[in-house]
Amino acid sequence: DTEVTQTPKHLVMGMTNKKSLKCEQHMGHRAMYWYKQKAKKPPELMFVYSYEKLSINESVPSRFSPECPNSSLLNLHLHALQPEDSALYLCASSQAPPDRLAYNEQFFGPGTRLTVL
Amino acid sequence: KQEVTQIPAALSVPEGENLVLNCSFTDSAIYNLQWFRQDPGKGLTSLLLIQSSQREQTSGRLNASLDKSSGRSTLYIAASQPGDSATYLCAVKGLTGGGNKLTFGTGTQLKVEL
Repeated sequence: DTEVTQTPKHLVMGMTNKKSLKCEQHMGHRAMYWYKQKAKKPPELMFVYSYEKLSINESVPSRFSPECPNSSLLNLHLHALQPEDSALYLCASSQAPPDRLAYNEQFFGPGTRLTVL
Repeated sequence: KQEVTQIPAALSVPEGENLVLNCSFTDSAIYNLQWFRQDPGKGLTSLLLIQSSQREQTSGRLNASLDKSSGRSTLYIAASQPGDSATYLCAVKGLTGGGNKLTFGTGTQLKVEL
């Protein structure tokens, strides 16, 4: 299984809602990532988890809360979002993430299209 | 701070043509460079990954080259097909900056016409 899956595919939420995005991989990868992508822009890194621990937070607002309950799952909890948070949210994974490991191809999921009203 | 630029931003070619997409980066201290394809509204598909010690990688009709010292990579697509229409992104993994951060280029939107 060389696939990263994400649910839901589409999500529409109001600014007072609480929702969660889910990501799953069964490739034995120990690094997982959340990216945000606006239309016609490259993906922007939000969070990196290494061995189920948060290793990078790119100064993301606290209304986005990541969680890695086990080595295969990654969640992104959303609360009190703003309309400007509407974007495609991409999850990715890669092999064991020591910095010195050069071969570290990232595999991406299909994304969740989020619309905040 | 690493900056990655892709030229051209958009490209339209007739079917069957060979084409080259360009990627340049400002900091040559990289682990590797990865080329991705993205269809509209979809996730990224990894095409090729080149280690910093390598000069090129090939997969089918795709060939990617890397000149680390000059901060350049090219993606060569042979005998283009309408199914190749997509946005192509390059991304570099730096030696500094921590963790597994990829810095993405601005992308080239390719359209292959019948």
